[in-house]
Amino acid sequence: QIHLVQSGAELKTPGASVKVSCKASGYAIITYGLSWLRQAPGQGLEWMGWISADNGKTNYAEKLQGRVTMTTDASTNTAYMELTSLTTDDTAVYFCARKTATFDYWGQGTLVTVSS
Amino acid sequence: EIVLTQSPGTLSLSPGERATLSCRASQSITNNYLAWYQQKPGQAPRLLIYGASSRATGIPDRFSGSGSGTDFTLTISRLEPEDFAVYYCQQYIDSPRTFGQGTKVDIK
Repeated sequence: QIHLVQSGAELKTPGASVKVSCKASGYAIITYGLSWLRQAPGQGLEWMGWISADNGKTNYAEKLQGRVTMTTDASTNTAYMELTSLTTDDTAVYFCARKTATFDYWGQGTLVTVSS
Repeated sequence: EIVLTQSPGTLSLSPGERATLSCRASQSITNNYLAWYQQKPGQAPRLLIYGASSRATGIPDRFSGSGSGTDFTLTISRLEPEDFAVYYCQQYIDSPRTFGQGTKVDIK
């Protein structure tokens, strides 16, 4: 059974950074790419980017370039997404999802709240 | 980037009825690289359809997708109680990957 389990909710102040983890089980993370998406409260889905875990190649959404970093650790089968210089507009549920084209398995989501 | 426009915004139907959801793209999506997802409150989305018409693993055959070019349709032949949710289309021919704004199917 394939599962993606994400880290817990975070409360951050504007200007801070957040790092969300996504631990995969049931498959080796290096065999597929992994994507990150987010969903602001009451809004639709926004693609943030993906990482190819076998070679570390990344593709980030243009609006997040310079603020987002996606990494993987094959030894723990875990992916990470770090977002810096947070603003209130970054308040959202963050999802990891397997693959880079369609997204067939998803994490449960991590709520990141940015508030002063 | 490719803009996807879904219609209607909300579809109010009764169990057993047929639901027809539309997704229109701002430019042609070659190879039918169009997917559909279902999302229920507090849950992650679930992949229903990929390649415009192929059902993902475990998806009931009451869900079907069709279309090509710029116009795509998700049809739910007979709504079950568990089908009331929000549905999103998504293109994967181009980067950035983009989603429609969603269609909510609620109980009439």
